[in-house]
Parts: sequence; structure tokens; C-alpha cells
Amino acid sequence: EIVLTQSPGTLSLSPGERATLSCRTSQSLSSSYLAWYQQKPGQAPRLLIYGASSRATGIPDRFSGSGSGTDFTLTISRLEPEDFAVYYCQYYGGSPYTFGRGTKLEIK
Amino acid sequence: QVQLQESGPGLVKPSETLSLTCTVSGGSISGYYLNWIRQPPGKGLEWIGYIYYTGSTNYHPSLKSRVTISVDTSKTQFSLKLSSVTAADTAVYYCARGYSSSWSAPFDPWGQGALVTVSS
Repeated sequence: EIVLTQSPGTLSLSPGERATLSCRTSQSLSSSYLAWYQQKPGQAPRLLIYGASSRATGIPDRFSGSGSGTDFTLTISRLEPEDFAVYYCQYYGGSPYTFGRGTKLEIK
Repeated sequence: QVQLQESGPGLVKPSETLSLTCTVSGGSISGYYLNWIRQPPGKGLEWIGYIYYTGSTNYHPSLKSRVTISVDTSKTQFSLKLSSVTAADTAVYYCARGYSSSWSAPFDPWGQGALVTVSS
């Protein structure tokens, strides 16, 4: 099973700032089967990024993903008020699919 | 626009079987992998398993002995059964379709989620 470690656990920033979230995998992902989701309270997760760097349909371009191997990053270039939420990374390249524990992005 | 909706009892007694159904509307399930995911209150996400529209399945190893996922393509529904439940199975249960027709696809769209509480 591939374990995903997200850091930091909580990130406190202000609107307009840049957010950088990290996801490290326990094994190298040779085909970048890495996704990022945003979850707001009481809502289902929303797919943001797949294939490590491809934006899902309708996702604003302030969200970007990068990385390869074992180190992946989600960057939000300029935080909007609606971006404050919990973010999860996910491995979907084989069973079992696994998720990181999440990074909570909160307003400073 | 494809939408998914979970339905089923919100309260299940310990040792009994949890049963949920996901209804897909506005789109097809043919050619897609259909997933169940759960999230205990205040915690992270756990993939439970998937079923392909043809009926082939794959389950999380930790739940494999208790999980059954089935599909009814005529009704565009798929279902989850989890047997011998305990309080540790209390969670919001989500259904989700694969973002593409590949087996290796992230999950999108998702249902809104159904809270299932295990308690006597």
C-alpha cells in the first residue's frame, strides 16, 4: 500500500497570498497517478488536479500541480476567500487507492 | 451533467449489514469504474472499493472480507453492502464515478454523501 504524507497539517494564510501544499508518497509513482481534491465542510470532495499537473474541468488556473517520483505539490497562486478548505492528495494508480490525511488551509 | 445520489438507512445496529445504493443520473455508468469511499466524522478519506460496469470488483484489503459491491446497469445504480458493522464503521459514505473510463482514474463526480451511524 502506498502511503501519502501531507504537510503541513494546517496552513494559515491571508487572501491574496500564495499557498504551497506538499504530498510525499512512500513509493515512487512512475506514472504520476496523483490527484488533489478540495473539501469544504459538509460537502463532498471536489477534484482539482489529476495526473499530478492537469486541471480538472472548470478548475480556475490559480490552482496548479507539480511534482514527480515521490514529491508532489499543489500551489494556489493567489488565495481567494472560497479557497479556504481541506485539501487531500490521492494515489489512484493501483489497489488500494489511498488518500493523504489532508492539509487544512485556514484564514490567518 | 452527471449526478450521483446515495440512499439508504442512516442508522444500523452493531453486527448487522450496512446497505447503500448510489443512483447515477444525467450520464452513463457503462465504461466507467464506480467507487465507494467513506469518511469517519472529523477524519480523512478511505477508499472502500470499486465495481466496473461489467461487474468486476476490487476491494480494499482491510475491508475485503466484509464488503460486497454490485451494479444494476438497467437502473444506473450500484450498491454497497458492509457486513458485521461496528462503531468504527460510522462514517459519511460517498459514491463516485471515475473521471475517465480508465481503471486508473481519479474520482469525479461524487455524490453528496450519506451519514451512516452504527449504534444500538
